[in-house]
Amino acid sequence: AAGVIQSPRHLIKEKRETATLKCYPIPRHDTVYWYQQGPGQDPQFLISFYEKMQSDKGSIPDRFSAQQFSDYHSELNMSSLELGDSALYFCASSAGTEQFFGPGTRLTVL
Amino acid sequence: GQQLNQSPQSMFIQEGEDVSMNCTSSSIFNTWLWYKQDPGEGPVLLIALYKAGELTSNGRLTAQFGITRKDSFLNISASIPSDVGIYFCAGSYYGGSQGNLIFGKGTKLSVKP
Repeated sequence: AAGVIQSPRHLIKEKRETATLKCYPIPRHDTVYWYQQGPGQDPQFLISFYEKMQSDKGSIPDRFSAQQFSDYHSELNMSSLELGDSALYFCASSAGTEQFFGPGTRLTVL
Repeated sequence: GQQLNQSPQSMFIQEGEDVSMNCTSSSIFNTWLWYKQDPGEGPVLLIALYKAGELTSNGRLTAQFGITRKDSFLNISASIPSDVGIYFCAGSYYGGSQGNLIFGKGTKLSVKP
């Protein structure tokens, strides 16, 4: 069965640079969620989209933005990167109440 | 904000033993989910619960949605080495477009062959 695809899997950036993370949901899933997971932490909700509209917002910094496109894929844009942004970033997709997570993007900010 | 208290934080057990972990919340949820995460990988959904009192099994895993809607437990029977990983409970208030998950802190399971 098709799963959530995230790219890139690994990303290394310098402080103050920008990064774009991509998420391709499971086919026919209309909702995408973004989560951030720091080392040894639980995933923290950032933002979600339903039918290409932002549906909910969590602890997402103003330096981050995201959108969902007409093909339902989503992109998380991160600017003015800080050392503390180093984390695993997960995308999850859903067609109802169950959320299925992608393999994540490991972002390292140097 | 809402918090989930998950316990125990870690467990070291012998292969073949049964395992039990639970989550409690100060607020009610209408969905409880249990995930397993291996290092550097995404959480994998194990069991989803939708109704208070619901008891659901998935192979050697059994989970229950507490009657008060503020708690849930996960049992693993006859553990095997591949059960090693971090188990997270997660709750949400709504389904569909507003169903962002709130996670517990995780239970790290180690299994000795």
